[in-house]
Amino acid sequence: AQSVTQLGSHVSVSEGALVLLRCNYSSSVPPYLFWYVQYPNQGLQLLLKYTTGATLVKGINGFEAEFKKSETSFHLTKPSAHMSDAAEYFCAVSALGGLSNFGNEKLTFGTGTRLTIIP
Amino acid sequence: EAQVTQNPRYLITVTGKKLTVTCSQNMNHEYMSWYRQDPGLGLRQIYYSMNVEVTDKGDVPEGYKVSRKEKRNFPLILESPSPNQTSLYFCASSLFKISGANVLTFGAGSRLTVL
Repeated sequence: AQSVTQLGSHVSVSEGALVLLRCNYSSSVPPYLFWYVQYPNQGLQLLLKYTTGATLVKGINGFEAEFKKSETSFHLTKPSAHMSDAAEYFCAVSALGGLSNFGNEKLTFGTGTRLTIIP
Repeated sequence: EAQVTQNPRYLITVTGKKLTVTCSQNMNHEYMSWYRQDPGLGLRQIYYSMNVEVTDKGDVPEGYKVSRKEKRNFPLILESPSPNQTSLYFCASSLFKISGANVLTFGAGSRLTVL
């Protein structure tokens, strides 16, 4: 079974400061990991994903995340926060890694982190 | 434009009054799924469908039904809604490839309140 833990349900950073959103996962098979962003009154959209290969993954809007197997982490970062980054961010792990769940593209989501940008 | 369309976006109803939330995608995706989002719980899967006439339960299926008669549509049915089904609902779809790495495209969400 897979699970995701996001540390900090609310994070506030100043405009121009580093953004760091934490995500730790648990998976019985090699994980596929995702970060989604949800802007107010909108659906979720993909920021980035890790499947295999390079452990540092770059996404849209200047975000990146690093897969660290030894730490079971997939933290999201952005060097300089912008006001438009204010949103809720979800880390997720794919559950299609084993035959017991064949055919289900289910994502197991964390509880989300609301990012506030201080002017 | 490639998208997943849900209707209604907002609905207030009363306990026991049957309702359907429609979901349609125009990307010819095989896989579709419903999630509910609740504060502090993130998103949890309700039902999913691998293709036409193939559906299965997710993590929280109680009180819901689905059908997949056409590839593009995947309605969510609440036969007898109860207040604990007050939530924000998302439909999502993806191309079905046996990899687990497929990206889900989400609808804009349907906010349901059951009084």
